[in-house]
Amino acid sequence: GAGVSQSPSNKVTEKGKDVELRCDPISGHTALYWYRQSLGQGLEFLIYFQGNSAPDKSGLPSDRFSAERTGGSVSTLTIQRTQQEDSAVYLCASSTTGMGQETQYFGPGTRLLVL
Amino acid sequence: AQSVTQPDIHITVSEGASLELRCNYSYGATPYLFWYVQSPGQGLQLLLKYFSGDTLVQGIKGFEAEFKRSQSSFNLRKPSVHWSDAAEYFCAVGSGGSYIPTFGRGTSLIVHP
Repeated sequence: GAGVSQSPSNKVTEKGKDVELRCDPISGHTALYWYRQSLGQGLEFLIYFQGNSAPDKSGLPSDRFSAERTGGSVSTLTIQRTQQEDSAVYLCASSTTGMGQETQYFGPGTRLLVL
Repeated sequence: AQSVTQPDIHITVSEGASLELRCNYSYGATPYLFWYVQSPGQGLQLLLKYFSGDTLVQGIKGFEAEFKRSQSSFNLRKPSVHWSDAAEYFCAVGSGGSYIPTFGRGTSLIVHP
């Protein structure tokens, strides 16, 4: 079956522009996660969705970052007024229900470069 | 709060040599423990996980890991490394009380021919 997909694969933007990153989770997975991976760094948690609700958005670094999920499926991460420090790989993952012992299934990521 | 430490940022081994990647965790109860692998330009893929039962866990690609409660460790091993194993390896810990796993910073494995 289809895995987690993300688009675009790569995004180059100018400082100050807004960007939207898309994630299509595995069908039927109610839990969806966004992470950020900077060069040489581990995974930084950004936000967790359960269905269309975001019970934990504690990892969003600033109010320039927002995310939504619709239909219990597709999620969009939006970064407004991008800064150079936003350059990173943004990873999306989904799991069946979000329980602690479940495997997370990751997409290939979106590589964002802010010039 | 749960935490994970991967003490080694980089590990270099020769092809055919054995491998052990270290992972230490901090959590009050029995944790759920995971090892993921990330090949260049890819997302993370599960290698193996532990949440109960036999403390020696077998995974894909010939990897295994052993949960040692007394040492708060979950080290990843492979008896003979192949060049295709060169990748970034992440240890993660989850719990029954949280939907958010905690990932270590990762260990980069370099394989010399």
